[in-house]
Amino acid sequence: AQSVTQLGSHVSVSEGALVLLRCNYSSSVPPYLFWYVQYPNQGLQLLLKYTSAATLVKGINGFEAEFKKSETSFHLTKPSAHMSDAAEYFCAVRETGTSYGKLTFGQGTILTVHP
Amino acid sequence: EAGVVQSPRYKIIEKKQPVAFWCNPISGHNTLYWYRQNLGQGPELLIRYENEEAVDDSQLPKDRFSAERLKGVDSTLKIQPAELGDSAVYLCASSLEEAGSSEQYFGPGTRLTVT
Repeated sequence: AQSVTQLGSHVSVSEGALVLLRCNYSSSVPPYLFWYVQYPNQGLQLLLKYTSAATLVKGINGFEAEFKKSETSFHLTKPSAHMSDAAEYFCAVRETGTSYGKLTFGQGTILTVHP
Repeated sequence: EAGVVQSPRYKIIEKKQPVAFWCNPISGHNTLYWYRQNLGQGPELLIRYENEEAVDDSQLPKDRFSAERLKGVDSTLKIQPAELGDSAVYLCASSLEEAGSSEQYFGPGTRLTVT
């Protein structure tokens, strides 16, 4: 089965600073990878997805992520943090084979943005 | 376009009582998912439907959990009897499966507290 590891359960940045949220995956085949954001008491909203096209993926709200096969990583970045970016972020890999369609999520990273 | 609708949003019950959650997916989406999200963790798949058929229920605790998706649209997830460890957020998601990279759209979830 595929798995996802998010390094750092909490990340704190100042407003205007670079945001870097780390995600590593394990997969024996080229994966589909996703980043979701979850605001308090809300469901998950897709930020961006990698589906074997361009390795640098741009998403909503100024976020982007780069797929690095050699490092099995899919880190999420944003050049300049905004207060509204404070939320929990989840990296996910899409299963293949008999579990096709299933998303396996990481543990999540809570992003705090300081004024 | 309306998103995934779930009800109720919150539910508090005593252990050993039954509880049911309802989900209405996005119109036209053929695939429906139920996930459980424990506090401080990422969502975990319970069951996946393609139209009316449950194609992946390997993670569903079948001794107390049941689900149905009549007519391939709305779905109900039931727990009977509930245990303290069932306290979690239950998320419903839907997608239109095509080439395998389809986005899953999540509802706001039902937060279950078992006392």
